[in-house]
Amino acid sequence: KNEVEQSPQNLTAQEGEFITINCSYSVGISALHWLQQHPGGGIVSLFMLSSGKKKHGRLIATINIQEKHSSLHITASHPRDSAVYICAVKNYGGSQGNLIFGKGTKLSVKP
Amino acid sequence: DVKVTQSSRYLVKRTGEKVFLECVQDMDHENMFWYRQDPGLGLRLIYFSYDVKMKEKGDIPEGYSVSREKKERFSLILESASTNQTSMYLCASSLMQAVNYGYTFGSGTRLTVV
Repeated sequence: KNEVEQSPQNLTAQEGEFITINCSYSVGISALHWLQQHPGGGIVSLFMLSSGKKKHGRLIATINIQEKHSSLHITASHPRDSAVYICAVKNYGGSQGNLIFGKGTKLSVKP
Repeated sequence: DVKVTQSSRYLVKRTGEKVFLECVQDMDHENMFWYRQDPGLGLRLIYFSYDVKMKEKGDIPEGYSVSREKKERFSLILESASTNQTSMYLCASSLMQAVNYGYTFGSGTRLTVV
């Protein structure tokens, strides 16, 4: 079993829809990251969370440490949000600096 | 704007060639990482370095080596390229001992070995 599981693997939405991507993990963590990867490959860090909730523009990330679960929400989705969204955790006490990655959720937003 | 720069976006090499992938960061970060990304497998750590001349193996180091002679530069070396090393390679950096500090990724190098 993977230590970081994302769902769904693939998601297609219509422009304007509210989108939720989920991440569950099985290890103790010190931080959780949400990353965005556009076609072409470069990865951008969206959020880093250790508790609660963060908001940036139309993006909201939440984490529930007790349930070992995080969600990434996109409000009023737009075709430019089409990308792969990756959840990654910093394993508490794990290898220095390294992250454990989920396999990603491929989001396609249709106009 | 802080950056992690990978020297090539696309690279085609022949089987058996020695291949160098270069990564440079301008943020004075101690930690640097090399990952490969394959469909269905996600990102997997090849090697990382937490200081100049220091390195540690990641999950899949076989067939690779690394060099970190200067703090800002971390090189990945494929000693004798093989077709199963065709992949997307991503470099990243972060601050040492900064539990809640973000990572910065490069744009990736898509390597094809023929």
